[in-house]
Amino acid sequence: KQEVTQIPAALSVPEGENLVLNCSFTDSAIYNLQWFRQDPGKGLTSLLLIQSSQREQTSGRLNASLDKSSGRSTLYIAASQPGDSATYLCAVSPPSGTSYGKLTFGQGTILTVHP
Amino acid sequence: DTGVSQDPRHKITKRGQNVTFRCDPISEHNRLYWYRQTLGQGPEFLTYFQNEAQLEKSRLLSDRFSAERPKGSFSTLEIQRTEQGDSAMYLCASSLMVGGEKLFFGSGTQLSVL
Repeated sequence: KQEVTQIPAALSVPEGENLVLNCSFTDSAIYNLQWFRQDPGKGLTSLLLIQSSQREQTSGRLNASLDKSSGRSTLYIAASQPGDSATYLCAVSPPSGTSYGKLTFGQGTILTVHP
Repeated sequence: DTGVSQDPRHKITKRGQNVTFRCDPISEHNRLYWYRQTLGQGPEFLTYFQNEAQLEKSRLLSDRFSAERPKGSFSTLEIQRTEQGDSAMYLCASSLMVGGEKLFFGSGTQLSVL
């Protein structure tokens, strides 16, 4: 059974810092990996999707990397801002044979960026 | 607004009552998913539809839960005889079954069972 772990569980940083969130998964047979953002009491917003054949994806100040063989992904946020404060969730998609949308999520990292 | 819509946003009910939630996916999306999220945890998969067909159900979905997507458009999730353990955020997501299947989530329905 696939298990996804995110470290740290919570992170508090001053504005302007670069930071790294970590995600690990136990079964390397995945189709893709996604990073989501969730604001309190709200739904999930997809940030980046990395196919299993890719090594990284970038969007603005966000960069996500994937090392499928070691079961790890990192989300790098550059020049953090108070508006980045949210919970960040990592999720992996199963390999072919079932729905790619049947995601297994980590518990999330609660990020607080203070001015 | 062309995103995923969920209704209601909040539902408070008494134990033993039945509740029904609605999800309207992005119009051209053929797949629709239901997830459940409890406080401090990541979402957990419940079930999904491809068009009107329900293709998979999680073991989390007890026989008190039923989901439908009658015309392959909106979906409903009904919980019968609610229990306090059903209190959670119920999230709906939709996708187009091509290109990596990126999921688009709604804002969720927060259920509180008293």
